[in-house]
Amino acid sequence: ELKVEQNPLFLSMQEGKNYTIYCNYSTTSDRLYWYRQDPGKSLESLFVLLSNGAVKQEGRLMASLDTKARLSTLHITAAVHDLSATYFCAVDTPLVFGKGTRLSVIA
Amino acid sequence: DAGVTQSPTHLIKTRGQHVTLRCSPISGHKSVSWYQQVLGQGPQFIFQYYEKEERGRGNFPDRFSARQFPNYSSELNVNALLLGDSALYLCASSSLFRDRVTGNEQFFGPGTRLTVL
Repeated sequence: ELKVEQNPLFLSMQEGKNYTIYCNYSTTSDRLYWYRQDPGKSLESLFVLLSNGAVKQEGRLMASLDTKARLSTLHITAAVHDLSATYFCAVDTPLVFGKGTRLSVIA
Repeated sequence: DAGVTQSPTHLIKTRGQHVTLRCSPISGHKSVSWYQQVLGQGPQFIFQYYEKEERGRGNFPDRFSARQFPNYSSELNVNALLLGDSALYLCASSSLFRDRVTGNEQFFGPGTRLTVL
C-alpha cells in the first residue's frame, strides 16, 4: 500500500526566511503533485513532477523530485504572508495524499 | 473557461439519510474522480470514472456509489449516512485516464461540505 509522509506537519516561518517541506513516499512512482489549500477552500494545483530530477519553480516556490530516494521537496524562498496555507503532496494515480503541511508566515 | 463545478456547496443531513452530490468536469475532460477530505486530513480517494466506466475504487464501504453520465458529469451517492461521513467531498477532473505527457494532472472543484447530524 502506497504511503505518503510529509514533514513538518506544522510550520511557522518568519517573513523573508527560507524553508523546505519534505514529502516521502513508500513505493515506486513516476508522478508527484503539489497542491495548495486555503482554509475552507479547494485544492489548487502548484506543480506536476514526472521524472527523476525534475525541478519546477513558480515565484517563491520550487519543487523537485528524486524518484530513487522517493523524495520530493517544496522549497520556499523569502516567505511572504500570502504563502500561508496548507500544502499537500500527492503521488500516483489515483492520488494518494500526505497529511499536509500547515504553513503560517508571520511578520 | 469554467473550471470544475460541484453542487450543492453545503449540505446538512441526519444519520440514516441518503445524499447525492454532483460534479461537472472541465469541458473536454473525460475523467472524474471523487475524494473525501475529513477536517485536518489529506483527501482520500473514493472513485475514478473514465468514459462512463469505473476505473478505480478506494477503501470505502458499499454505501458509497457513483456514476458518470454521457456528458461526463458525475454523481456521488452515499446511503445510510453516518456521523463519520461528515467531510468535504471533492471532485477532480482530468483529460485522460493515464496521460504520460501531462501526468494526468487533476483539477479540483470547490467541493461540497457535508454535515451529518
